[in-house]
Amino acid sequence: DTAVSQTPKYLVTQMGNDKSIKCEQNLGHDTMYWYKQDSKKFLKIMFSYNNKELIINETVPNRFSPKSPDKAHLNLHINSLELGDSAVYFCASSQTGPTGYNEQFFGPGTRLTVL
Amino acid sequence: GQQLNQSPQSMFIQEGEDVSMNCTSSSIFNTWLWYKQEPGEGPVLLIALYKAGELTSNGRLTAQFGITRKDSFLNISASIPSDVGIYFCAGLQGGSEKLVFGKGTKLTVNP
Repeated sequence: DTAVSQTPKYLVTQMGNDKSIKCEQNLGHDTMYWYKQDSKKFLKIMFSYNNKELIINETVPNRFSPKSPDKAHLNLHINSLELGDSAVYFCASSQTGPTGYNEQFFGPGTRLTVL
Repeated sequence: GQQLNQSPQSMFIQEGEDVSMNCTSSSIFNTWLWYKQEPGEGPVLLIALYKAGELTSNGRLTAQFGITRKDSFLNISASIPSDVGIYFCAGLQGGSEKLVFGKGTKLTVNP
Protein backbone atom coordinates (compact mmCIF):
# COMPACT_ATOMS: atom_id res chain seq x y z
CA ASP A 1 0.00 0.00 0.00
CA THR A 2 1.71 3.14 -1.23
CA ALA A 3 1.18 6.13 1.06
CA VAL A 4 2.48 8.95 -1.14
CA SER A 5 3.00 8.13 -4.79
CA GLN A 6 4.43 10.20 -7.61
CA THR A 7 4.43 9.76 -11.35
CA PRO A 8 6.58 9.57 -13.29
CA LYS A 9 9.61 8.30 -11.39
CA TYR A 10 11.94 9.59 -14.10
CA LEU A 11 11.34 12.36 -16.62
CA VAL A 12 13.79 13.32 -19.34
CA THR A 13 12.85 16.19 -21.58
CA GLN A 14 14.16 18.97 -23.76
CA MET A 15 14.59 22.60 -22.78
CA GLY A 16 11.52 24.67 -23.50
CA ASN A 17 9.04 21.83 -23.07
CA ASP A 18 6.12 21.83 -20.64
CA LYS A 19 5.74 18.89 -18.28
CA SER A 20 3.66 17.78 -15.31
CA ILE A 21 4.40 15.64 -12.27
CA LYS A 22 1.55 14.05 -10.37
CA CYS A 23 1.25 13.23 -6.70
CA GLU A 24 -1.36 11.25 -4.82
CA GLN A 25 -1.63 10.35 -1.15
CA ASN A 26 -3.95 7.76 0.36
CA LEU A 27 -3.30 8.73 3.98
CA GLY A 28 -6.33 10.99 4.28
CA HIS A 29 -4.06 13.97 4.96
CA ASP A 30 -5.22 17.52 4.41
CA THR A 31 -1.89 19.15 3.57
CA MET A 32 0.43 18.43 0.66
CA TYR A 33 3.81 19.83 -0.33
CA TRP A 34 6.28 20.01 -3.18
CA TYR A 35 10.01 20.05 -2.46
CA LYS A 36 12.98 20.37 -4.81
CA GLN A 37 16.23 18.51 -4.12
CA ASP A 38 19.17 19.77 -6.14
CA SER A 39 22.27 17.91 -7.25
CA LYS A 40 23.94 18.65 -3.91
CA LYS A 41 20.99 17.01 -2.12
CA PHE A 42 19.73 20.28 -0.69
CA LEU A 43 15.98 20.02 0.03
CA LYS A 44 13.88 23.15 -0.28
CA ILE A 45 10.15 23.60 -0.02
CA MET A 46 8.39 25.05 -3.03
CA PHE A 47 4.67 24.94 -2.30
CA SER A 48 2.17 23.73 0.25
CA TYR A 49 -1.58 23.23 -0.05
CA ASN A 50 -4.03 22.75 2.80
CA ASN A 51 -7.48 21.53 1.81
CA LYS A 52 -6.79 22.59 -1.76
CA GLU A 53 -5.76 26.09 -0.67
CA LEU A 54 -2.23 27.39 -1.31
CA ILE A 55 -0.59 28.21 2.04
CA ILE A 56 3.14 28.23 1.23
CA ASN A 57 4.50 29.70 -1.96
CA GLU A 58 8.25 30.10 -1.85
CA THR A 59 10.26 32.19 -4.25
CA VAL A 60 9.76 29.92 -7.21
CA PRO A 61 9.63 31.01 -10.88
CA ASN A 62 6.06 31.41 -12.06
CA ARG A 63 6.82 28.76 -14.67
CA PHE A 64 6.00 26.38 -11.82
CA SER A 65 2.30 26.06 -11.13
CA PRO A 66 0.88 23.67 -8.57
CA LYS A 67 -2.68 22.43 -8.86
CA SER A 68 -4.68 20.59 -6.24
CA PRO A 69 -7.88 19.12 -7.71
CA ASP A 70 -8.75 17.54 -4.35
CA LYS A 71 -7.16 16.88 -0.96
CA ALA A 72 -5.54 13.67 -2.12
CA HIS A 73 -3.79 15.10 -5.17
CA LEU A 74 -1.24 17.81 -5.79
CA ASN A 75 0.22 18.14 -9.26
CA LEU A 76 3.11 20.28 -10.41
CA HIS A 77 3.15 21.75 -13.88
CA ILE A 78 6.33 23.30 -15.23
CA ASN A 79 6.34 25.50 -18.32
CA SER A 80 9.29 26.31 -20.56
CA LEU A 81 11.67 23.95 -18.82
CA GLU A 82 15.24 25.16 -18.24
CA LEU A 83 18.46 23.28 -17.57
CA GLY A 84 18.43 24.51 -13.98
CA ASP A 85 15.11 22.79 -13.36
CA SER A 86 16.90 19.45 -13.39
CA ALA A 87 16.47 18.03 -9.89
CA VAL A 88 14.54 15.49 -7.88
CA TYR A 89 11.08 16.72 -6.94
CA PHE A 90 9.45 15.29 -3.83
CA CYS A 91 5.83 15.39 -2.89
CA ALA A 92 4.89 15.09 0.79
CA SER A 93 1.74 15.12 2.86
CA SER A 94 0.75 15.66 6.48
CA GLN A 95 -2.35 15.95 8.61
CA THR A 96 -2.99 19.17 10.50
CA GLY A 97 -3.21 18.54 14.22
CA PRO A 98 -3.89 20.71 17.25
CA THR A 99 -0.31 20.94 18.51
CA GLY A 100 3.21 19.84 17.75
CA TYR A 101 4.80 18.83 14.51
CA ASN A 102 2.64 17.05 11.99
CA GLU A 103 4.89 14.47 10.39
CA GLN A 104 5.38 14.90 6.68
CA PHE A 105 5.42 11.68 4.68
CA PHE A 106 7.47 11.93 1.52
CA GLY A 107 6.92 10.28 -1.83
CA PRO A 108 9.72 8.45 -3.68
CA GLY A 109 10.60 11.46 -5.81
CA THR A 110 10.57 12.30 -9.52
CA ARG A 111 13.97 12.76 -11.12
CA LEU A 112 13.64 15.45 -13.78
CA THR A 113 16.44 15.83 -16.31
CA VAL A 114 16.30 18.72 -18.75
CA LEU A 115 18.57 18.37 -21.79
CA GLY B 1 15.95 32.47 4.08
CA GLN B 2 16.77 30.52 7.20
CA GLN B 3 19.62 28.05 7.00
CA LEU B 4 20.72 25.11 9.07
CA ASN B 5 24.43 24.30 9.19
CA GLN B 6 24.83 20.55 9.29
CA SER B 7 28.12 18.76 9.84
CA PRO B 8 29.95 16.75 8.92
CA GLN B 9 29.09 16.70 5.23
CA SER B 10 30.10 13.04 4.95
CA MET B 11 31.38 10.22 7.14
CA PHE B 12 33.10 6.96 6.34
CA ILE B 13 33.08 4.56 9.26
CA GLN B 14 33.55 0.90 10.08
CA GLU B 15 30.64 -1.27 11.10
CA GLY B 16 30.22 -1.19 14.87
CA GLU B 17 31.45 2.37 15.32
CA ASP B 18 29.38 5.13 16.83
CA VAL B 19 28.44 8.17 14.75
CA SER B 20 27.65 11.72 15.72
CA MET B 21 26.37 14.57 13.57
CA ASN B 22 24.97 17.96 14.42
CA CYS B 23 23.03 20.91 13.18
CA THR B 24 23.29 24.55 14.20
CA SER B 25 21.43 27.71 13.35
CA SER B 26 21.69 31.40 14.11
CA SER B 27 17.93 31.38 14.72
CA ILE B 28 15.72 29.68 17.28
CA PHE B 29 13.67 26.68 16.20
CA ASN B 30 10.72 25.27 18.13
CA THR B 31 10.94 21.81 16.63
CA TRP B 32 13.96 19.84 15.49
CA LEU B 33 13.66 16.78 13.28
CA TRP B 34 16.02 14.17 11.94
CA TYR B 35 15.32 12.42 8.64
CA LYS B 36 17.09 9.64 6.75
CA GLN B 37 17.08 9.37 2.98
CA GLU B 38 18.13 6.21 1.19
CA PRO B 39 19.05 6.17 -2.51
CA GLY B 40 16.03 6.55 -4.78
CA GLU B 41 13.69 7.22 -1.87
CA GLY B 42 12.19 10.17 -0.08
CA PRO B 43 13.26 11.23 3.43
CA VAL B 44 11.82 9.27 6.33
CA LEU B 45 11.38 10.78 9.78
CA LEU B 46 13.59 9.22 12.46
CA ILE B 47 13.15 11.42 15.50
CA ALA B 48 11.17 14.56 16.35
CA LEU B 49 12.16 16.88 19.22
CA TYR B 50 9.79 19.44 20.66
CA LYS B 51 11.35 20.86 23.83
CA ALA B 52 14.69 22.49 24.57
CA GLY B 53 16.96 20.01 26.30
CA GLU B 54 14.87 17.03 25.21
CA LEU B 55 16.78 13.81 24.63
CA THR B 56 14.94 11.17 22.60
CA SER B 57 15.95 7.70 21.47
CA ASN B 58 14.72 5.48 18.67
CA GLY B 59 16.56 2.16 18.86
CA ARG B 60 20.25 2.83 18.29
CA LEU B 61 19.53 6.47 17.46
CA THR B 62 19.58 9.26 20.01
CA ALA B 63 18.90 12.91 19.32
CA GLN B 64 18.93 15.99 21.49
CA PHE B 65 17.28 19.39 21.20
CA GLY B 66 19.86 21.96 22.23
CA ILE B 67 19.13 24.06 25.30
CA THR B 68 19.55 27.28 23.32
CA ARG B 69 17.06 25.96 20.72
CA LYS B 70 19.64 26.75 18.05
CA ASP B 71 21.16 23.31 17.67
CA SER B 72 20.55 19.58 17.69
CA PHE B 73 22.65 16.45 17.40
CA LEU B 74 22.03 12.89 16.30
CA ASN B 75 24.03 9.91 17.52
CA ILE B 76 23.97 6.43 16.02
CA SER B 77 25.48 3.71 18.15
CA ALA B 78 27.00 0.46 16.91
CA SER B 79 26.49 1.28 13.23
CA ILE B 80 25.45 -1.44 10.78
CA PRO B 81 25.62 -1.49 6.96
CA SER B 82 21.92 -0.60 6.59
CA ASP B 83 22.57 2.71 8.34
CA VAL B 84 24.03 4.05 5.08
CA GLY B 85 22.18 6.98 3.64
CA ILE B 86 21.91 10.72 3.96
CA TYR B 87 20.79 12.10 7.29
CA PHE B 88 19.07 15.47 7.33
CA CYS B 89 18.26 17.73 10.21
CA ALA B 90 15.24 19.96 9.77
CA GLY B 91 13.66 22.66 11.86
CA LEU B 92 10.38 24.44 12.30
CA GLN B 93 10.08 27.94 13.67
CA GLY B 94 7.14 29.09 15.76
CA GLY B 95 3.95 29.61 13.78
CA SER B 96 5.51 28.30 10.60
CA GLU B 97 4.53 25.24 8.58
CA LYS B 98 7.73 25.52 6.57
CA LEU B 99 10.40 22.90 7.22
CA VAL B 100 13.96 24.18 6.84
CA PHE B 101 16.46 21.43 6.02
CA GLY B 102 20.18 21.11 6.65
CA LYS B 103 22.40 20.07 3.75
CA GLY B 104 22.68 16.51 4.93
CA THR B 105 25.35 14.15 6.25
CA LYS B 106 26.17 11.27 3.93
CA LEU B 107 27.01 8.17 5.96
CA THR B 108 28.95 5.24 4.55
CA VAL B 109 29.42 2.15 6.70
CA ASN B 110 32.10 -0.33 5.72
CA PRO B 111 31.33 -3.91 6.76
